[in-house]
Amino acid sequence: DGGITQSPKYLFRKEGQNVTLSCEQNLNHDAMYWYRQDPGQGLRLIYYSQIVNDFQKGDIAEGYSVSREKKESFPLTVTSAQKNPTAFYLCASTVTGVIVSGNTIYFGEGSWLTVV
Amino acid sequence: GENVEQHPSTLSVQEGDSAVIKCTYSDSASNYFPWYKQELGKGPQLIIDIRSNVGEKKDQRIAVTLNKTAKHFSLHITETQPEDSAVYFCAASSPGSARQLTFGSGTQLTVLP
Repeated sequence: DGGITQSPKYLFRKEGQNVTLSCEQNLNHDAMYWYRQDPGQGLRLIYYSQIVNDFQKGDIAEGYSVSREKKESFPLTVTSAQKNPTAFYLCASTVTGVIVSGNTIYFGEGSWLTVV
Repeated sequence: GENVEQHPSTLSVQEGDSAVIKCTYSDSASNYFPWYKQELGKGPQLIIDIRSNVGEKKDQRIAVTLNKTAKHFSLHITETQPEDSAVYFCAASSPGSARQLTFGSGTQLTVLP
């Protein structure tokens, strides 16, 4: 079945550690996104990529990094510079990154990151 | 940039009653307004959407209305059922925005049996 796979589902990070969240899609979508969701709040955009080998910062990119070496993969690294990383992280994709509104966004099942 | 406000943040209704969630947006150029349902611990799923050339759209028990003049849109769920309990998000999209969507803060809907 086509879809977006995020892993791991649960991840614990020690202070000062970098961790990487995986996101893979087999929908053949050009554009991919990372959102952060805090309890009781909406989705905030961290990074997005319209096409392979290109990505842009979203609203809360500080302390995060991404890469887009392959069309189907968009991993997110939460670095030690991110002071409050405990949150639910959602990866998403759309068929095209061309600037056309109305593209349906499909989400993965999310990853919970907790700092211990 | 676009700003989307969503109300209420929590909503409890009796099973069988209707539920209404409202959103306002700031960018008059926005022309696409989807609604997502998120169950606990899962990713949001699209349940209905509307484009700015349409005032209302209905899909079984779910409907969305759009008032472009007032820049607000609403989700209506009729004959609510316990499985409708979830967090609902509205969103807006502007032409020319590579970010695709700006989301509201979400509404926790609880349907009481």
